[in-house]
Amino acid sequence: EVQLVESGGGLVQPGGSLRLSCAASGFTFSDYAMHWVRQAPGKGLEHVSAINNNGGSTYYANSVKGRFTISRDNSKNTLFLQMGSLRAEDMAVYYCASSRVRGVTPNWFDPWGQGTLVTVSS
Amino acid sequence: DIQMTQSPSSLSASVGDRVTITCRASQSISSYLNWYQQKPGKAPNLLIYAASSLRSGVPSRFSGSGSGTDFTLTINSLQPEDFATYYCQQSYSTPVTFGQGTRLEIK
Repeated sequence: EVQLVESGGGLVQPGGSLRLSCAASGFTFSDYAMHWVRQAPGKGLEHVSAINNNGGSTYYANSVKGRFTISRDNSKNTLFLQMGSLRAEDMAVYYCASSRVRGVTPNWFDPWGQGTLVTVSS
Repeated sequence: DIQMTQSPSSLSASVGDRVTITCRASQSISSYLNWYQQKPGKAPNLLIYAASSLRSGVPSRFSGSGSGTDFTLTINSLQPEDFATYYCQQSYSTPVTFGQGTRLEIK
């Protein structure tokens, strides 16, 4: 069964840092690009970051560029998102997803993880 | 960035109804349009990719059509499990962008 499981969310103060993880199973993780998509409470979906299959190419939305870093460990089938200088507007459920292509070129997202909630508040 | 606009933002329908949701792109995106279903507290799930291709395992009552700037998602014979929020997403160019969502409620 193809599965993505996020972890690492929680409460963090404005200006703080947090590291999200996404553990993949059921497919050849190293073959595919991976993504983080977030959803603020009661709001729509925003594509935040992407990384190609071997980690050599990345993408960041303007809203997080310079503050977030995406990475992956193909030996452990795990995707990461290091988030820094967190702001109230970063508060959201963060989903990891695969795009089933190797590069960070736009594509559909399938499958998705169940999401992890990041709360930014003092 | 390409703006995606869905209509309506919400609609009420009954079990057995046929419903259509529209998604309009701010510029031509060929057939690079995907549809997702999201239930409360759950992750989105892919329904339709490349405008009209049904993801494996998705019931055939779901269908998609369109190209260029105008697209539709049609659900035939609504079932109780179909009441959810639906999102379109363009994968024509970076950044990928989503519509604001259409909430489908039980009448």
